[in-house]
Parts: sequence; C-alpha cells; structure tokens
Amino acid sequence: GENVEQHPSTLSVQEGDSAVIKCTYSDSASNYFPWYKQELGKRPQLIIDIRSNVGEKKDQRIAVTLNKTAKHFSLHITETQPEDSAVYFCAAKKSRNFGNEKLTFGTGTRLTIIP
Amino acid sequence: NAGVTQTPKFQVLKTGQSMTLQCAQDMNHNSMYWYRQDPGMGLRLIYYSASEGTTDKGEVPNGYNVSRLNKREFSLRLESAAPSQTSVYFCASKTGVSYGYTFGSGTRLTVV
Repeated sequence: GENVEQHPSTLSVQEGDSAVIKCTYSDSASNYFPWYKQELGKRPQLIIDIRSNVGEKKDQRIAVTLNKTAKHFSLHITETQPEDSAVYFCAAKKSRNFGNEKLTFGTGTRLTIIP
Repeated sequence: NAGVTQTPKFQVLKTGQSMTLQCAQDMNHNSMYWYRQDPGMGLRLIYYSASEGTTDKGEVPNGYNVSRLNKREFSLRLESAAPSQTSVYFCASKTGVSYGYTFGSGTRLTVV
C-alpha cells in the first residue's frame, strides 16, 4: 500500500519568516495530495490540495508544490503568523473505483511560530 | 448544517468493556471513514465505507468492527477494549465527486 513520509516532525520559525514541510510518497499511482491543519484539540481541516496534473497551487500565504518524478510534495507558508501554529498533515490518495479510495496520512509536523 | 457529528466526545473504559462510537453526517456524502490518531503516528485508517452497504478494512482494523447503518451513519464498535486502543478517534466523510474529507470533532477514548 501507499506509504507517506513527512519531515520535519517539529519546526519552529520566527514570525514573518517562511516555513516549508516536505512529504514523500511511495505509490506512483497516487494522484491527489491534500494538506490538513490541526489546531490543538480540534479536528483536522483541509487547507490546500493539489492533483497530479498540476505542479504548483497557491492560496494567499500558502502554496503546495508537487514533483511527480521524485514523488514528493511540499507545503510552503510565507509571512508566518502566530495563528499558523498547529500540526500539519500531508496525505496521498489514488483513485481506483468510484468512491473506493482512501487517504494515507503522514505522521505530522508540529509548527510553532515564535513571536 | 452540522457536518460530521461524533458521539461521545470523551469516554473512559475498563479493559474488556465494549462500546460503540457513533458518527453521522448530514452532507449526503457517499464515503465514510474511521481513523485513529496517536502521538507521532499521524492518522491511521481503521475501516471505511465507500458507499451505503459496503465496508472495508483499513490499515489497523484488528479489535474493531463497523456498521454502515444507512447513508448518514457509520458506527465503530470495540467489542473488548484494550489499553492499546487508547486514542483519539476521528470519523470523516466525502462525496464521491470531490476529494476533500470533512472530519468530525473526534472522540477521546481512554482504556484503563
């Protein structure tokens, strides 16, 4: 099955600096790569996603890049703010049958923004 | 519109007790999932249901059973709880035509 590795496990950055979290996946058939943000005691929430036919996607201060050849994708957060402090999870999925598809998650990165 | 609702939010069980975690969604989603979250291990899939009437094992199904009662509801049952099942359990759902999961607020389960 799919295996997703995520690095680093913890990351501290000064407020205003950029943060980068990287993930690699094992199954070359995977074609959907979401990122989730989980604040302390809360549920994971989708913040951005990318499909395999796209190399980069941006949404305000966050962006995701995908390198299909190397089988890795990254989350970039610019101009970090205190509210960006959370645990971030990457995930990967391949579509097989309609609806019969499931996400495999990375182990998470705890991002701390230092004021 | 409540999204995905999980009950209970907290539960303490003694080893060997049984319980059922409830999940319901009001978004008319086809697919539903149960994940467990443990420190340093991310979210691991226990069981999922691609559509009403079907269920499949995920990565860590041992010690659990599920029931897709109808399109809205997907329950997770622990027949004989063990301390290794202490975890936070999340239910999620998605519609077949989109890719994003919507998660419930989680159930924090402690087995002593």
